[in-house]
Amino acid sequence: TQLLEQSPQFLSIQEGENLTVYCNSSSVFSSLQWYRQEPGEGPVLLVTVVTGGEVKKLKRLTFQFGDARKDSSLHITAAQPGDTGLYLCAGALPDSGYALNFGKGTSLLVTP
Amino acid sequence: GAGVSQTPSNKVTEKGKYVELRCDPISGHTALYWYRQSLGQGPEFLIYFQGTGAADDSGLPNDRFFAVRPEGSVSTLKIQRTERGDSAVYLCASSRFGANVLTFGAGSRLTVL
Repeated sequence: TQLLEQSPQFLSIQEGENLTVYCNSSSVFSSLQWYRQEPGEGPVLLVTVVTGGEVKKLKRLTFQFGDARKDSSLHITAAQPGDTGLYLCAGALPDSGYALNFGKGTSLLVTP
Repeated sequence: GAGVSQTPSNKVTEKGKYVELRCDPISGHTALYWYRQSLGQGPEFLIYFQGTGAADDSGLPNDRFFAVRPEGSVSTLKIQRTERGDSAVYLCASSRFGANVLTFGAGSRLTVL
């Protein structure tokens, strides 16, 4: 059973465009993380959000944790080819914080 | 080391064979995790070690899978009587005790023919 649903599954945009990817669940998480994974590599942690309604910014990336701690979004402003990759959200349930539940990911392609 | 090291990077084996995958975590990281990532899927939790002991092995799919970490550092994931459905990338990650900041290795891609 997939606890976290990510959308869209695939996204192909041109350099300079903005985009938002979503991570939704019916479960409440104690924390939620976003990772980026490139082919042949392991996921690399981008951010951790822990408080409902929390917004974090990392350069052109803005992450938001839903008020109810069930969903999250990642917004990229002025996407660049270097943003290309698989974006994964992962949530930690309150009773097993170390066992992350990953979504299937959003595969992003940014073309020049 | 500087990062999490996994060997082999690629392993091709035949159905029914035994396989070992090794993970060398970041020095000083007491927590170690194994995940499995099938094609088109996100990583799936397998097992978590805190020190030498398996604190949670609830993600291991069946008794053909076993993992050890005898000295609290290097870990080995062992798969007996491999099946074609075991084909996936096996990811290892480590973190400091109590920190939910995981550093993943590049993974070991297992192909069972």
